[in-house]
Amino acid sequence: AQSVTQPDIHITVSEGASLELRCNYSYGATPYLFWYVQSPGQGLQLLLKYFSGDTLVQGIKGFEAEFKRSQSSFNLRKPSVHWSDAAEYFCAVGAWMDSSYKLIFGSGTRLLVRP
Amino acid sequence: EAGVTQSPTHLIKTRGQQATLRCSPISGHTSVYWYQQALGLGLQFLLWYDEGEERNRGNFPPRFSGRQFPNYSSELNVNALELEDSALYLCASSSHRGGLNEQFFGPGTRLTVL
Repeated sequence: AQSVTQPDIHITVSEGASLELRCNYSYGATPYLFWYVQSPGQGLQLLLKYFSGDTLVQGIKGFEAEFKRSQSSFNLRKPSVHWSDAAEYFCAVGAWMDSSYKLIFGSGTRLLVRP
Repeated sequence: EAGVTQSPTHLIKTRGQQATLRCSPISGHTSVYWYQQALGLGLQFLLWYDEGEERNRGNFPPRFSGRQFPNYSSELNVNALELEDSALYLCASSSHRGGLNEQFFGPGTRLTVL
């Protein structure tokens, strides 16, 4: 069955430090992969997406993610975290199942940023 | 370009009542998706409408229903409300039947059932 795992429920980093949020997926075919960010009380904003091609994708706000098929991973990275990056981050797989398309989300990782 | 809009922002109901949530997609988008984000349960897919028809539904009871209007806006109806229906309900729209086009999310409606 298709699934997305974000093993870290919470991560705390200091402002200016680098960040990596982990995401592993289970999907039989070539996946469509997404990272979304949700600030408190807000909807989800797309950070970046991977459909095909270059496995290192650049997104908004200085984020990037790398698709590693051999590890079934799509980890999100940022070289220097800003206090405004504190939010919840969701990894998602776009899956076709029974001629229907849906996004399957991970459980999210809450990022806290220390001043 | 206006984003996805949802109304109301907050909704408070009591058990057994009915709730109606509304979503207006981005202009030109024909697909609307509904998700439930309950505390501790993450984002769960509820319903997908495209071109006025229900295309798929998640693992939710029939008291969760909805429709899509000719202008592609959508309503989510929840009948016989239960306490565990309290959640943030997110609507998303897409210009394609999934896949290559990402889903754009609205700010959500927070439903509280007392």
